[in-house]
Amino acid sequence: AQSVTQLDSQVPVFEEAPVELRCNYSSSVSVYLFWYVQYPNQGLQLLLKYLSGSTLVESINGFEAEFNKSQTSFHLRKPSVHISDTAEYFCAVSESGGNEKLTFGTGTRLTIIP
Amino acid sequence: EAGVAQSPRYKIIEKRQSVAFWCNPISGHATLYWYQQILGQGPKLLIQFQNNGVVDDSQLPKDRFSAERLKGVDSTLKIQPAKLEDSAVYLCASSFGTGGFYEQYFGPGTRLTVT
Repeated sequence: AQSVTQLDSQVPVFEEAPVELRCNYSSSVSVYLFWYVQYPNQGLQLLLKYLSGSTLVESINGFEAEFNKSQTSFHLRKPSVHISDTAEYFCAVSESGGNEKLTFGTGTRLTIIP
Repeated sequence: EAGVAQSPRYKIIEKRQSVAFWCNPISGHATLYWYQQILGQGPKLLIQFQNNGVVDDSQLPKDRFSAERLKGVDSTLKIQPAKLEDSAVYLCASSFGTGGFYEQYFGPGTRLTVT
């Protein structure tokens, strides 16, 4: 079984400042890792994913995450945030080669301060 | 391309009543998921269908929850009787297949309040 820990439930950040949202996972097997974003009054959307290969993955809107196997982490970063990044961010894990069952963390609410 | 549709968007019922949620996945998607998201928690998988067969229902409280996916397309999730702790957002998601990585697309959810 897998589990995901998101240590920060809320992260306030000033506009144009950098941000890091932390995610740690636990699993006895190889995993796929994901970040999902939920904008206000919208459904969950896939932001980025790690399946294999390069441990650094990027999204189209400037976010990146790095898979660190030794630290079992998949932290999400952005060098300069915008008001439009205000949302809830969920880290998730699934067993690679399994049935795509996603196990989610409890989420981090990112609030951008103008 | 139309997204995953869910209805109703909101539902308020009293405890011990029954309720049903409907989901229409993206056309052509073989796999359908129902998740429960309690306030302050991440979504938790309740049941996964591959076409009209159940792949995983290990976390579905079968004494009160039931789900079906007739003809491998639409799906209905039912709660009977509802308890206060069932208050949550119920999310439906679909993906093209299984056995590899296929992105899950989520619907807007149904917010259930049990009083």
